Amino acid sequence: NAGVTQTPKFQVLKTGQSMTLQCAQDMNHEYMSWYRQDPGMGLRLIHYSVGAGITDQGEVPNGYNVSRSTTEDFPLRLLSAAPSQTSVYFCASSYSRGREQYFGPGTRLTVT
Amino acid sequence: QQQVKQSPQSLIVQKGGISIINCAYENTAFDYFPWYQQFPGKGPALLIAIRPDVSEKKEGRFTISFNKSAKQFSLHIMDSQPGDSATYFCAASISGNTPLVFGKGTRLSVIA
Repeated sequence: NAGVTQTPKFQVLKTGQSMTLQCAQDMNHEYMSWYRQDPGMGLRLIHYSVGAGITDQGEVPNGYNVSRSTTEDFPLRLLSAAPSQTSVYFCASSYSRGREQYFGPGTRLTVT
Repeated sequence: QQQVKQSPQSLIVQKGGISIINCAYENTAFDYFPWYQQFPGKGPALLIAIRPDVSEKKEGRFTISFNKSAKQFSLHIMDSQPGDSATYFCAASISGNTPLVFGKGTRLSVIA
């Protein structure tokens, strides 16, 4: 099993550009989530999904969009990148909400 | 409102010493308390977790102590090694019901 995979590993965007961070898992987990990690701020939940077709907002959802068309994939879209979105983004999956989460390797995003 | 408060922010411990990281929570409905370990450039990974029906759980050199009345739990790393140098996150949730809420993390450095 590959576990949770994320692409790309690194990305540089200009302010106003849009892009999609990809996340896939092969563990048949129903629950998937996106976090951002900033120095001194810990892991903050952006959006999560409890199954295909169902998504909900986390603590810091503004500026991000998600959809879940399959169990395996949970892409995160930045609609119009801003420097405040410079961060490391982690995707995670789990059998259910609030249980052990398996994290991907992360995407380091810089917005100039 | 920060639901899980973690301290200290950083910690330096001599090799062979005991590392202690503390977390406090507010929501008495939380029933799942995991600790995650993150090495530089990697995603967090589950280290050890505890439920409130026990006061202590030990796995090798890692021990979680749980104090339900004080709403606190802590991670003890016995015989700390340079390979334990990492960032540690505590978290809490209502298992199967709410997403994990993470503390802000503790950067541990174990020096020889």
